[in-house]
Amino acid sequence: EVQLVESGGGLVQPGGSLRLSCAASGFTFSNYWMTWVRQAPGKGLEWVANIKPDGSDKYCVDSVRGRFTISRDNAKNSLYLQMNSLRVDDTAMYYCATGGGAPASWGQGTLVTVSS
Amino acid sequence: DIQMTQSPSSLSASVGDRVTITCRASQGIRNDLGWYQQKPGKAPKRLIYAASSLQSGVPSRFSGSGSGTEFILAISSLQPEDFATYYCLQNNSFPRTFGQGTKVEIK
Repeated sequence: EVQLVESGGGLVQPGGSLRLSCAASGFTFSNYWMTWVRQAPGKGLEWVANIKPDGSDKYCVDSVRGRFTISRDNAKNSLYLQMNSLRVDDTAMYYCATGGGAPASWGQGTLVTVSS
Repeated sequence: DIQMTQSPSSLSASVGDRVTITCRASQGIRNDLGWYQQKPGKAPKRLIYAASSLQSGVPSRFSGSGSGTEFILAISSLQPEDFATYYCLQNNSFPRTFGQGTKVEIK
């Protein structure tokens, strides 16, 4: 059974940094594109970033480019999202998901709150 | 960026009703579209991929159709557990983009 467990969320001040992690199990992590999606409170879903199985290609939405970095460690079956220069409008639940197209399996999310 | 316009934004329906939700893409995306269901406080669940392929384990009352720029998610006979918010997602090009969501409520 596919399991994705996000961690690393919390309360951070504007301009601060956080590193989100996603621990994967139940599938061959190194074979899959991975995705981060976020959802601001009471709002819709927003695709954030994708990474290729070997980490060689990465894509992200314009609003986070230059501030967020997606990465992975296939030896640890883990996906990461380094978030710098956080803004109030980055406040959201962040989900990791399997696949780079229409992601099939999703974690339960980790909440990031950016506030002073 | 490809814009995904979903309609309606909300609808009220009764158990047993047939319900359809439409997603229109700002440019052709072949059949590179998925549909998701999300219940309050839960992660999204994939229902349909490649526009019309039913995700394993999803009831057959859900179906997807369309290609190019217009897509439809249909629920043939609405069940109590289907009251939720539904989203489309285009995976034809980067950045991926979601529709704004359709909330299905009980009439």
